[in-house]
Amino acid sequence: AQSVTQLDSQVPVFEEAPVELRCNYSSSVSVYLFWYVQYPNQGLQLLLKYLSGSTLVKGINGFEAEFNKSQTSFHLRKPSVHISDTAEYFCAVSEENQGGKLIFGQGTELSVKP
Amino acid sequence: DAGVTQSPTHLIKTRGQQVTLRCSPISGHKSVSWYQQVLGQGPQFIFQYYEKEERGRGNFPDRFSARQFPNYSSELNVNALLLGDSALYLCASSLGVPGLGLGTQYFGPGTRLLVL
Repeated sequence: AQSVTQLDSQVPVFEEAPVELRCNYSSSVSVYLFWYVQYPNQGLQLLLKYLSGSTLVKGINGFEAEFNKSQTSFHLRKPSVHISDTAEYFCAVSEENQGGKLIFGQGTELSVKP
Repeated sequence: DAGVTQSPTHLIKTRGQQVTLRCSPISGHKSVSWYQQVLGQGPQFIFQYYEKEERGRGNFPDRFSARQFPNYSSELNVNALLLGDSALYLCASSLGVPGLGLGTQYFGPGTRLLVL
């Protein structure tokens, strides 16, 4: 069955430090992969997506992610974080034959400290 | 362009009551999906509608129902509310081309439902 695991529930980091938020998925078919960010008391905003092609995907706000098919991973990275990056981050997967169904991970709370 | 809009923003109900949540998709988007996000968890898929037809259903009881209107807006109905239905209900819209994948989903701000 399709599932998404975000390996860290909380990631504290100092401002201007690099960060990696880890995501692994399981699926027996081709998938589309997404990262969304959720600020307090708000909906989800798309950060980036992998549909096909280059495995390194660049998104908004300086974030990027790399799709690794052999390791079934889609880790999110940013070389230098800001206080404003403090939020909840969700990894999600959609199977090629499942239409609109997004399966989300449990989320990673990124806390950026001054 | 306006994004996905949802109403109301907040709602308080008591157990056993019924609730209707509303969603307007981005202009030009024909697909609407509904998700439930319980505090501290990731969103869970409830329904997807495309061109007014149900195209997907998650693992939710029959108390949950939805529909899509000719203008592509959508309503989510929940009957016989339980305490466990307290959550943020998110609506997402996409171009939604069946057979070619859904396309990217864009989320609204959500409706926060509290059941007492």
